[in-house]
Amino acid sequence: ETGVTQTPRHLVMGMTNKKSLKCEQHLGHNAMYWYKQSAKKPLELMFVYSLEERVENNSVPSRFSPECPNSSHLFLHLHTLQPEDSALYLCASSQTQGTGANVLTFGAGSRLTVL
Amino acid sequence: GQSLEQPSEVTAVEGAIVQINCTYQTSGFYGLSWYQQHDGGAPTFLSYNGLDGLEETGRFSSFLSRSDSYGYLLLQELQMKDSASYFCAVRDDDKIIFGKGTRLHILP
Repeated sequence: ETGVTQTPRHLVMGMTNKKSLKCEQHLGHNAMYWYKQSAKKPLELMFVYSLEERVENNSVPSRFSPECPNSSHLFLHLHTLQPEDSALYLCASSQTQGTGANVLTFGAGSRLTVL
Repeated sequence: GQSLEQPSEVTAVEGAIVQINCTYQTSGFYGLSWYQQHDGGAPTFLSYNGLDGLEETGRFSSFLSRSDSYGYLLLQELQMKDSASYFCAVRDDDKIIFGKGTRLHILP
């Protein structure tokens, strides 16, 4: 399998649930990203991991918790979310140096609905 | 603060040429990129400018002027399949920040 794969594609959860989004890339990239896309704030950067170290947090609420166990996998753990957290969550990856550091490959996204 | 400004919507006719502008204000700058996103799909990379000037990739070209903090995406010979949202993006150190996107409508 190639590219960036996100699971699940759709998720509906209550405000008290705990769930996780998963992202996997088979491109040999060393940087991975979580973006939130909603009508109000398109493509809002949430987290960046470079060489498995978190380098950017962008003041995201603590109810979102990222995890990067290795350079190929990225998780977003969700806990006690709010309805306004409903959005499309996009994972992306890139190289860390050179021109490739400017080229993001996105997954298809996980559409989250919080009831 | 960091911001990228681009028009929210642009309309053009099939077969014509359209230019989508982007101005940016970031603390650091390592390149300007463009992405296309169709409804229901994920953003896909189109073009990148690290230095001033024009980059051409088929029907699409992208331009950068670092002194003006300005760039544009030029789409030629428009086709109906080019109807999509187009985002400019700037790499600022480890972050890649996106503009709010320009919705391109193409009329037959």
